[in-house]
Amino acid sequence: ETGVTQSPTHLIKTRGQQVTLRCSSQSGHNTVSWYQQALGQGPQFIFQYYREEENGRGNFPPRFSGLQFPNYSSELNVNALELDDSALYLCASSWTSGSLGGETQYFGPGTRLLVL
Amino acid sequence: GESVGLHLPTLSVQEGDNSIINCAYSNSASDYFIWYKQESGKGPQFIIDIRSNMDKRQGQRVTVLLNKTVKHLSLQIAATQPGDSAVYFCAEGGDFGNEKLTFGTGTRLTIIP
Repeated sequence: ETGVTQSPTHLIKTRGQQVTLRCSSQSGHNTVSWYQQALGQGPQFIFQYYREEENGRGNFPPRFSGLQFPNYSSELNVNALELDDSALYLCASSWTSGSLGGETQYFGPGTRLLVL
Repeated sequence: GESVGLHLPTLSVQEGDNSIINCAYSNSASDYFIWYKQESGKGPQFIIDIRSNMDKRQGQRVTVLLNKTVKHLSLQIAATQPGDSAVYFCAEGGDFGNEKLTFGTGTRLTIIP
């Protein structure tokens, strides 16, 4: 088991609503990445947060947004939920050290979101 | 990509036998590759990684081979156990793996007792 935790574990929302998912990074890690894994698919990169700023974004619309806090934990917010947003949302933490590079990502258990 | 689901490539192996899972990657500039194991209802679990300046790396019961010429990775699992049953993904990830990860097609491995 990694030290990455996510909450809630499961969530049911209706179309048009907004949702906030939370992630606590592994001890010693300062970078959080979020992925969406639809049923039958591999994880797709949403965005990454480092030093409390977005540090790279995948092909997701602006209604997907995030935050990183001083303790390196993070939130993923999705506005105006659509049926296709139903998926497993994964958080991964890693360590980044500026010009020295970093280390690989370790995943949390995910939050299963169902949009009705 | 594909993972859990009807179109997921599958591999069935007798318990105790060795298994080989293959993966093709797309970005010839990638420098870092990772294999993850994902059990049902769980997040991907790190298994082993390899950098582009290596051809082979071994871990406990696992070996990763990298062929940069044909952009191909393989994961070999020795003496498979029932707990090895899962979906396996390869991923490519920048220089150190702390950047965006791009996942390949998953493979469902089933160990037959």
